[in-house]
Amino acid sequence: EADIYQTPRYLVIGTGKKITLECSQTMGHDKMYWYQQDPGMELHLIHYSYGVNSTEKGDLSSESTVSRIRTEHFPLTLESARPSHTSQYLCASSEYGVRGSPLHFGNGTRLTVT
Amino acid sequence: GESVGLHLPTLSVQEGDNSIINCAYSNSASDYFIWYKQESGKGPQFIIDIRSNMDKRQGQRVTVLLNKTVKHLSLQIAATQPGDSAVYFCAEGGTSYGKLTFGQGTILTVHP
Repeated sequence: EADIYQTPRYLVIGTGKKITLECSQTMGHDKMYWYQQDPGMELHLIHYSYGVNSTEKGDLSSESTVSRIRTEHFPLTLESARPSHTSQYLCASSEYGVRGSPLHFGNGTRLTVT
Repeated sequence: GESVGLHLPTLSVQEGDNSIINCAYSNSASDYFIWYKQESGKGPQFIIDIRSNMDKRQGQRVTVLLNKTVKHLSLQIAATQPGDSAVYFCAEGGTSYGKLTFGQGTILTVHP
């Protein structure tokens, strides 16, 4: 069972601020993902990574960026937060990739931009 | 385009009843399907998965059925308990690496 840790759990921040959402996993999974979810709605993939130094954009266009310098760490950054970025951000990892094994999710960061 | 959707947005059952949650998908090339449970304030939790070379798969109190002819997926929960109350999502692992397409979700409420 994968352990995925996301911090902070809740973040309220003003427009124009730079923020970084942290995500770490302890299982050594190569594949990691960021999903965006509005309340009661489906999840949309915004970024994913095959491994260290590998990042790709997902289906949903996002102004955020990600980095993968270490296997266990996959932070997401917004250079200038806007109210339209208000949402829940979920990080996930998998052992073999989405078609080979299920994704294991963290509990998310709920972001509110005022 | 690809889409995964759910027939019923809400489902209310009595404790002890069996629950069936349905899901339709549109991509006939999809070959991997997953059900997740999401409780309030938490991330989605894996329940069960099935590959397209199977019609049925059973877990603990849960069964997933796949009908490729009509592109339909269902999750059956036996002897539903109040702790099963959550939002249930089906998701499709299609042909694109790293992409998992989620449906809108069904809210399951179990009454004691």
